[in-house]
Amino acid sequence: DAKTTQPPSMDCAEGRAANLPCNHSTISGNEYVYWYRQIHSQGPQYIIHGLKNNETNEMASLIITEDRKSSTLILPHATLRDTAVYYCIVRVEDYGQNFVFGPGTRLSVLP
Amino acid sequence: GAVVSQHPSWVICKSGTSVKIECRSLDFQATTMFWYRQFPKQSLMLMATSNEGSKATYEQGVEKDKFLINHASLTLSTLTVTSAHPEDSSFYICSARPSILAGGYEQYFGPGTRLTVT
Repeated sequence: DAKTTQPPSMDCAEGRAANLPCNHSTISGNEYVYWYRQIHSQGPQYIIHGLKNNETNEMASLIITEDRKSSTLILPHATLRDTAVYYCIVRVEDYGQNFVFGPGTRLSVLP
Repeated sequence: GAVVSQHPSWVICKSGTSVKIECRSLDFQATTMFWYRQFPKQSLMLMATSNEGSKATYEQGVEKDKFLINHASLTLSTLTVTSAHPEDSSFYICSARPSILAGGYEQYFGPGTRLTVT
């Protein structure tokens, strides 16, 4: 079973920031938070991951609460091409660990 | 970044026939490859894990005699759906993990193969 809870769907206006929440209240100290997205009929695309510090890259920012029980993925200026299903996954960074996908959040960016 | 390809990107086959899907890691060696299946409006479900040179490990409920997996080289894994039926129609996605010596904690996903069985 997935260890995360995400809203099933969200809308965001084009050009605005999209803030996608994720609850992972049972996260362990050595589990990372990963975000992937899947555009329709494509394979999952890596976005960002982090352990406890906030992270930023060219695609997004990841904000992790101090107690690590939740996180938010921020797409600073959403475009229509950001419409996708976004998956939040917690995972130990261990060679034996796989990625377990939950249902994710379907983000619709509206013009 | 690391690139994983799949071939074909889509395939239509008749019921009762077999179809092979290839997954290749293009710029790295993958000791482990994973096969997922995704039905419409559902999430990815892991079918099996394959390690180069050894038998695949199948998830519960996945028929190993129906979904044959071969991982004969460090850059290629194949999934053969044998005696396909319409209920096997799905989106099949592979992912590949580099060797542990290369710091292989990540998985890189292929673009997926859409299988339609008529």
